[in-house]
Amino acid sequence: EEQLVESGGGLAQPGGSLRLSCAASGFTFSNYNMNWVRQAPGKGLEWVSYITKTSSVVYYADSVKGRFTMSRDNAKNSLYLQMTSLGVEDTAVYYCVRDGDRGFDLDNWGQGTLVTVSS
Amino acid sequence: QSALTQPRSVSGSPGQSITISCAGTSNDVGRYNYVSWYQQHPGKAPKLKIYNVNERPSGVPDRFSGSKSGNTASLIISGLQAEDEADYYCFSFAGGNTLVFGGGTKLTVL
Repeated sequence: EEQLVESGGGLAQPGGSLRLSCAASGFTFSNYNMNWVRQAPGKGLEWVSYITKTSSVVYYADSVKGRFTMSRDNAKNSLYLQMTSLGVEDTAVYYCVRDGDRGFDLDNWGQGTLVTVSS
Repeated sequence: QSALTQPRSVSGSPGQSITISCAGTSNDVGRYNYVSWYQQHPGKAPKLKIYNVNERPSGVPDRFSGSKSGNTASLIISGLQAEDEADYYCFSFAGGNTLVFGGGTKLTVL
């Protein structure tokens, strides 16, 4: 079964940092571009970042540019999101999402991990 | 990076057809055929329903279809079923290394 499992969420203080991880299994991770998508409580989906198969290109939403760093380790079938200078507006469920390689189609989603930023 | 514009809510009776619009600009929806649609039930992760404007992934019933005219994409659901009640989001490549979601539409099956 193709699966994505996020971890690393939790409570962080404003101005603090957190690192999310995503473990991929059941498919050849290195063949796919990947994304992080977040959803604030009771709100809509927000695209956060995108990384190509070889990490040659990384895109970020303006709302996180300069604060978040997306990376991957194909040898470990893992995706990461390093988050710094966290604000209350970053409170959300963060989803690890596979790009199906048919034109930015998000075809496989993890269950999400909740990040809460609060003092 | 402005979100694409979707109606907040739509509704329909079982068996009917509904359309959810997704209005963008000439820099995103109007320029690229990279529009996809996602269904999200409460407390669950979203699921891909349509990609590349009108392509259906395997396993998605043909009751779900997509189209685009100018800067506006649409998701059409025909033969509404109770299980279709959910939130729906459009998503598009916007050039300039940017991707953007719509604000989401709550579909109620009456």
